[in-house]
Amino acid sequence: DAGVTQSPTHLIKTRGQQVTLRCSPKSGHDTVSWYQQALGQGPQFIFQYYEEEERQRGNFPDRFSGHQFPNYSSELNVNALLLGDSALYLCASSLAVGGSYNEQFFGPGTRLTVL
Amino acid sequence: ILNVEQSPQSLHVQEGDSTNFTCSFPSSNFYALHWYRWETAKSPEALFVMTLNGDEKKKGRISATLNTKEGYSYLYIKGSQPEDSATYLCALWRRSGAGSYQLTFGKGTKLSVIP
Repeated sequence: DAGVTQSPTHLIKTRGQQVTLRCSPKSGHDTVSWYQQALGQGPQFIFQYYEEEERQRGNFPDRFSGHQFPNYSSELNVNALLLGDSALYLCASSLAVGGSYNEQFFGPGTRLTVL
Repeated sequence: ILNVEQSPQSLHVQEGDSTNFTCSFPSSNFYALHWYRWETAKSPEALFVMTLNGDEKKKGRISATLNTKEGYSYLYIKGSQPEDSATYLCALWRRSGAGSYQLTFGKGTKLSVIP
């Protein structure tokens, strides 16, 4: 089992550009959550996808959007990049069970640098 | 605003010393608390999930306690080893709506064990 994988590992973009980050969940998992970790901060929840729909969203602007595919993999898209979007982006997968939390398994992250 | 606070921010100990860190959180809407261990360039790894007031969990030399009434959790490491060097994150699960939960992280405690 490869666990949660993310690509790319590192990425450098310039202000105003758009970026797409990718995540493949742990085998058997159907739910993907995305987190942003800025320097010196804890990971902050961006949104969660289940059954190809955004189910929950944290306090992030609409420039942050996502997608989940039928194979449960997911993309995070960020438009009109700002310097402040520079961060480590973590993907976590879990198995949805109604009415309960479930342990999330994290990938190693994608380091995004915006110049 | 929900704040999960961790202290200290960083810690240097000698090999063989025992140490502990604190995670404090608002006790309203508490559902569960996770402790994660995060080594540099790797994925965060779940150590414990704790749900009940008075919970105590142990994994080898690492243990944790939970007090949901006063809103804190302690993580203890007995006889620290260099391989314990990592950032230790606590994360609070709280109910964010009907059947939905969000995970809020602290900023972490960075432990360095000096051989």
